[in-house]
Amino acid sequence: KAGVTQTPRYLIKTRGQQVTLSCSPISGHRSVSWYQQTPGQGLQFLFEYFSETQRNKGNFPGRFSGRQFSNSRSEMNVSTLELGDSALYLCASSLLENTEAFFGQGTRLTVV
Amino acid sequence: KQEVTQIPAALSVPEGENLVLNCSFTDSAIYNLQWFRQDPGKGLTSLLLIQSSQREQTSGRLNASLDKSSGRSTLYIAASQPGDSATYLCAVLQGGSEKLVFGKGMKLTVNP
Repeated sequence: KAGVTQTPRYLIKTRGQQVTLSCSPISGHRSVSWYQQTPGQGLQFLFEYFSETQRNKGNFPGRFSGRQFSNSRSEMNVSTLELGDSALYLCASSLLENTEAFFGQGTRLTVV
Repeated sequence: KQEVTQIPAALSVPEGENLVLNCSFTDSAIYNLQWFRQDPGKGLTSLLLIQSSQREQTSGRLNASLDKSSGRSTLYIAASQPGDSATYLCAVLQGGSEKLVFGKGMKLTVNP
């Protein structure tokens, strides 16, 4: 059974650019969440989608957005990149709400 | 606002020791608590999930307990091995929010 797949694994972008990250959940899982991990702040919740609907959003600026498709795959987009957006972005999938979360390997974003 | 604390931030032990990792949280209104392991530069691997109605879960050499009323969980690792070296994170699924709130993690080093 395939796990959560995130692409790409590594990205280097310039300040002011935008970036799109992709997450394919475990087959059959309908809930997808995104987290940002930095050395200073640890893991922080970005947003959660269930059946194509965003149900919850963390305390991040509007430059961070996401969506979920009918096949449960999800994308997150960051516009007007800042140096502080450099982080490991992790995606998690769950079968239903309130069940065990399984994480992907993450996308390492570096903004220069 | 839910806060999750893991103390100490780092631990170094000789191989073979039995270990207890601690996690505390401030709001007892949780759906579940999950323990994860993270290797450097990698994603999170789920170790154990305890539902709010449960007191304990076991998997191999790992045993996790939950005392919701006191806001505490412990992860017990029996007969530690060098391969157990990693950062261990606990996270609570906050009631009504569909998001995981993480502690900052504990970096474990098991020396051969």
